[in-house]
Amino acid sequence: DSGVTQTPKHLITATGQRVTLRCSPRSGDLSVYWYQQSLDQGLQFLIQYYNGEERAKGNILERFSAQQFPDLHSELNLSSLELGDSALYFCASSDRTSGKAFFGPGTRLTVL
Amino acid sequence: KNEVEQSPQNLTAQEGEFITINCSYSVGISALHWLQQHPGGGIVSLFMLSSGKKKHGRLIATINIQEKHSSLHITASHPRDSAVYICAVSNFGNEKLTFGTGTRLTIIP
Repeated sequence: DSGVTQTPKHLITATGQRVTLRCSPRSGDLSVYWYQQSLDQGLQFLIQYYNGEERAKGNILERFSAQQFPDLHSELNLSSLELGDSALYFCASSDRTSGKAFFGPGTRLTVL
Repeated sequence: KNEVEQSPQNLTAQEGEFITINCSYSVGISALHWLQQHPGGGIVSLFMLSSGKKKHGRLIATINIQEKHSSLHITASHPRDSAVYICAVSNFGNEKLTFGTGTRLTIIP
């Protein structure tokens, strides 16, 4: 157990819908990273938050947004879903001292 | 050209064999990470390296900063080592990861 929690584990929805994925980092970690793993693109960085502020942005679509709350949990919002958004979405946090990454179990999103 | 290249893409070996997975990167990095992803999907961080060599049980990771190359070795491989091994790099000032495409390792009993 990495200490990073993600909910839900699985999500099945239809095209055009909106979903919210939730992540809580390890106790004491201030950074949250969101990654997408799809069959054709592999693992890709989406966005990073540090102590409530957006720190870095990667290949995140405009239909996607995220935020980090005062209690440091984070939510990734995906809207106007398309078939190609089907993927595993991982959240990770990093140790403040070492930078080592700890991954959550992932949310498997299926868009039908 | 991807920033992080791994080889081989797939590797099948007999139980007990010595395994080597290679990773090359083309950018300056602060650290290189070796990750393991099991069929269930979960990702575990095995090593984080900025120089030299690290060992944990039967796993050894090395990095050559000058050559921008790292290797992951598994000694006395076992079927439970079957997984996808992913190399990733992080850059100075930001710990976001850039990933290789992974190596699918299958160990046959």
